[in-house]
Order: sequence, then structure tokens, then C-alpha cells
Amino acid sequence: QSALTQPPSASGSPGQSVTISCTGTSSDVGTYDFVSWYQHHPGKAPKVMIYEVTKRPSGVPDRFSGSKSGNTASLTVSGLQAEDEADYYCSSYAGSNYVFGSGTKVTVL
Amino acid sequence: QVQLVQSGSELKTPGASVKVSCKASGYTFTSYAINWVRQAPGQGLEWVGWIATNTGNPAYAQDFTGRFVFSLDTSVSTAYLQITSLKPEDTAVYYCARDSSAWVWGQGTLITVSS
Repeated sequence: QSALTQPPSASGSPGQSVTISCTGTSSDVGTYDFVSWYQHHPGKAPKVMIYEVTKRPSGVPDRFSGSKSGNTASLTVSGLQAEDEADYYCSSYAGSNYVFGSGTKVTVL
Repeated sequence: QVQLVQSGSELKTPGASVKVSCKASGYTFTSYAINWVRQAPGQGLEWVGWIATNTGNPAYAQDFTGRFVFSLDTSVSTAYLQITSLKPEDTAVYYCARDSSAWVWGQGTLITVSS
């Protein structure tokens, strides 16, 4: 199973918004509403920012939002803050397995 | 609170085996499967597979069949990942994660394979 496709990098100035795409297929993102987004700082465990496409765990700022259209899911970070600088990964259930995205490094300029 | 605590870093020589543990607390262990995820140096996250904690039935991603083995000890709420015939390319951080709507992750275990 191929990795989901994410842009390698994204950036924005503090206060701006950035949107990261996650493109899969009809076997994963397109069929299942089990898309999650993870924030990952090196040396730490990934942190769930969005699950089931749009849901935010308690404690995650509402600046983070998720959506999906067809085979592509998206994560939007509004009002960028310095602490949002990290690697972001999407993942999707794919029937009998999970698949992760290739990862996007978000830089706050 | 729900927590997964993994065993510590390991340095192994090629050809050796390693067993990583993942101890769960704060919930009924057999109610959720455990996923294993790998991150090699400079690479992204990669799903290794999962194990159903109520049946012990494992499933492995295509690239992780043969040398990767999942197991359980439900009496101590612990899942294990064993890797045999270690190769340098197995060097990575291995994470366990509870398979719930929002995954709960362990802290990761660094496995270094080097002669």
C-alpha cells in the first residue's frame, strides 16, 4: 500500500493560515472517514490533532480543523503560532490496515 | 489516565533479536487493538501492523512480514514487538499506539542496529 501524498513543506507567518493536503485513493481516504492528523516533534510521540476527519481531541486548539473531499483530506491551521512548527502526518484506515502520509514540515516564518 | 509506556532504547548487532514492550494502563487492555508504527531516521511514519488484544490475532503490513512478530501478555496488559535477524535498516524509533478513534501513543523506543 502506497503512502498518502502530502506536500513536503508548508509555511506561513504568525497569524496566517496554512492548509496541508493528504491525497489517497478510493481504497482509503475516499471510502473511510477514519482520517487522522498528527503533529510530530522530533524525539516525541506523535500527537493527535484531528481524528475521524473533523474531530478535535480535548485540549487541541480550535485553530486546527480537518476536512475531506473525495480522495483528499486537508488540515488547516489558522492563526499560526510559533509552537505549531512541526512535522504533520495524515493517516487513513484502509479496510484491513492503516496507511500514513509522507509528512509535511510546517515552518512558521 | 490512558497511558502506554514502552521499554527503553536498545543497541543491537546485526543478526540479533530485540523485543520491545508496550505496557498499557488506565483502560481495559483487551478492549482495543495495539498498532505498531516505525519511524526510520529522516523518514516518515510507517504502519508496521496491529494485534487484536482480545484474540491475539496479528496483522502485518506488507513490508513487515517474516521477521516482525507481535505478541501479548494480557495478564500484565502488555504488547510486544519482536524483530529477529536484525538488519542495520531496522534502525528506527518504534511506537505502539492504542487503536481507538483518537490513537493513544507510547513514547517510542529507539532500536539501533550497528556492528
